[in-house]
Amino acid sequence: AQSVSQHNHHVILSEAASLELGCNYSYGGTVNLFWYVQYPGQHLQLLLKYFSGDPLVKGIKGFEAEFIKSKFSFNLRKPSVQWSDTAEYFCAVNRMDSNYQLIWGAGTKLIIKP
Amino acid sequence: DAGVTQSPTHLIKTRGQQVTLRCSPISGHKSVSWYQQVLGQGPQFIFQYYEKEERGRGNFPDRFSARQFPNYSSELNVNALLLGDSALYLCASSHSGWGLQETQYFGPGTRLLVL
Repeated sequence: AQSVSQHNHHVILSEAASLELGCNYSYGGTVNLFWYVQYPGQHLQLLLKYFSGDPLVKGIKGFEAEFIKSKFSFNLRKPSVQWSDTAEYFCAVNRMDSNYQLIWGAGTKLIIKP
Repeated sequence: DAGVTQSPTHLIKTRGQQVTLRCSPISGHKSVSWYQQVLGQGPQFIFQYYEKEERGRGNFPDRFSARQFPNYSSELNVNALLLGDSALYLCASSHSGWGLQETQYFGPGTRLLVL
């Protein structure tokens, strides 16, 4: 079945720790990859996206993600997290033969301890 | 520019009732998509509309329907509500909704509680 997997459902880190959230998808062919963030009480916001080109993409608020095609992965990273990064993070994929519908992972809840 | 707006923000209904949710896309965007987000899960695709035509439908029963108006706003209707329809309903807009390089922008959602 077509799917997007986020392996960590809950992550707890201290401020200044490094972050890596995993995302794997199960499609072949050309895809677009997205990370969205949902801060408490706010709506989904785009963090970063990969369409083509350099597999290392940089987004807002110091986040970056690396597309590794051979591993079907698009992991999100941040070298030093802040308390304000506490949020839920979603990975999403779209592809031409699913009419460009976004297929979402289940999300990772990130809690940063001050 | 205003972002995607949705109304109402919260709604409480009882089983068997019908509900209509509304969405206004970002100015200049012609495509609207609807998603259902159940607590603890990622959003699930329900519908996509472009230029008033249904472009895509997810795996939802016929109780769910939608339409798009000439001004590109959209309504999502759910009939014969079930307890399991309780969720956050998200609307997203994009320029055309078609093509690998489209980005969707989300509204705040309508939280529906079915009792």
